[in-house]
Amino acid sequence: QSALTQPASVSGSPGQSFTISCTGTSSDIGGYNYVSWYQQHPGKAPKLIIYEVTNRPSGVPHRFFGSKSGNTASLTISGLQAEDEADYYCASFTSSNILVFGGGTKLTVL
Amino acid sequence: EVQLVESGGGLVKPGGSLRLSCAASGFTFSSYSMNWVRQAPGKGLEWVSSISSDSNYIYYANSVKGRFTISRDNAKNSLFLQMNSLRAEDTAVYFCAREAYNYDFDYWGQGTLVTVSS
Repeated sequence: QSALTQPASVSGSPGQSFTISCTGTSSDIGGYNYVSWYQQHPGKAPKLIIYEVTNRPSGVPHRFFGSKSGNTASLTISGLQAEDEADYYCASFTSSNILVFGGGTKLTVL
Repeated sequence: EVQLVESGGGLVKPGGSLRLSCAASGFTFSSYSMNWVRQAPGKGLEWVSSISSDSNYIYYANSVKGRFTISRDNAKNSLFLQMNSLRAEDTAVYFCAREAYNYDFDYWGQGTLVTVSS
């Protein structure tokens, strides 16, 4: 099972909005609504920020928005803040009953 | 407060074995599926294995299938990962994670480092 495809890095200024894409196949993202997103700060454990494509766990700001179209999932962050600087990973359930992660995207806040 | 605490990591030679443990507290452990996820130094996340709440359903990543065995002891609120035939590419921080819904991990441990080197 190949990893999902994410851009390696993105950058933005405070207050901006932008989107991180995550591309898979019909055997993972395209076939199931079990896409999740994680935020990981250096030296820390990952934190769940989106589950089942669009849902936010309690405590996650509404600035984080998840969506999906076909084989591509997206994480949109609006009103970028300094503390959003982190690595972001997408993940999807697959037809093989396993989970596959994306390669990760490093977000830099300028 | 939900807590997951991994232990058992360390330095092991290629071909060796290691057993990781994850002690859970603050929730009804026997009601949740649990997973192991690893992260090689400076690399991304890689899902390793999952086990259902009753141990009836177990899955592995292709990269560890046949070498790693996941298990749990609900009476002791503990999750395990027996790792055999270790390779250099197994070097990583290993996290245990609670599965909240469908392969969504809402709580993670702090991780334990496994280094495979001669």
